[in-house]
Amino acid sequence: DIQMTQSPSTLSASVGDRVTITCRASQSISSWLAWYQQKPGNAPKLLIYKASRLETGVPSRFSGSGSGAEFTLTISSLQPDDFATYYCQKYDRYPWTFGQGTKVEIK
Amino acid sequence: QVQLVESGGGVVQPGRSLRLSCAASGFTFRSYPMHWVRRAPGKGLEWVAVISFDGSDKYYADSVQGRFSISRDISKNTLHLQMNSLRAEDTAVYYCVRESIQKSSSLDYWGQGTLVTVSS
Repeated sequence: DIQMTQSPSTLSASVGDRVTITCRASQSISSWLAWYQQKPGNAPKLLIYKASRLETGVPSRFSGSGSGAEFTLTISSLQPDDFATYYCQKYDRYPWTFGQGTKVEIK
Repeated sequence: QVQLVESGGGVVQPGRSLRLSCAASGFTFRSYPMHWVRRAPGKGLEWVAVISFDGSDKYYADSVQGRFSISRDISKNTLHLQMNSLRAEDTAVYYCVRESIQKSSSLDYWGQGTLVTVSS
């Protein structure tokens, strides 16, 4: 099965910072990758699909890039509402797999 | 608007069974594949199972294969997860999730989750 590895596991940043999270697949998944945001007590929320397509209603400060086996999620200017845990997820074939998560904390 | 409401969670002893349900509304349920995803305490998200739009195809994570069974009742717009031979490691919040048919199969709507605790 394909494994998804995110880095870093935890990230400390300040409001206004540019933040980048990396997700690596153990083999190529083309562009079949999504990013989700989860806040404590809430369900995950779709941010990005097909590696780089922004979900409707998601602020444009979020962007995704990459293809094959390496992907990034970038937040161009971190806002107070963005402190959360972020997950990548591959959906090329079953079983689907999530990365272990990246917690974005206030510095 | 799309709503997914899970029910059926609770405390259950190891080895016993539990059936989760998810009531769907606000969209054409019979047109969408549906998934279960879980999050164990202090851990990340884990994909559990999927059922095709018509119920003809089902896939499971290795960790639940042979113990869990996903099904759907199109007449009642309801998704189910039958969980047998439960283990402590099955303790998690279980989410009912819709797979988008417009956004390249991403998981676009999530329920709020139902907590399953496996403990003696």
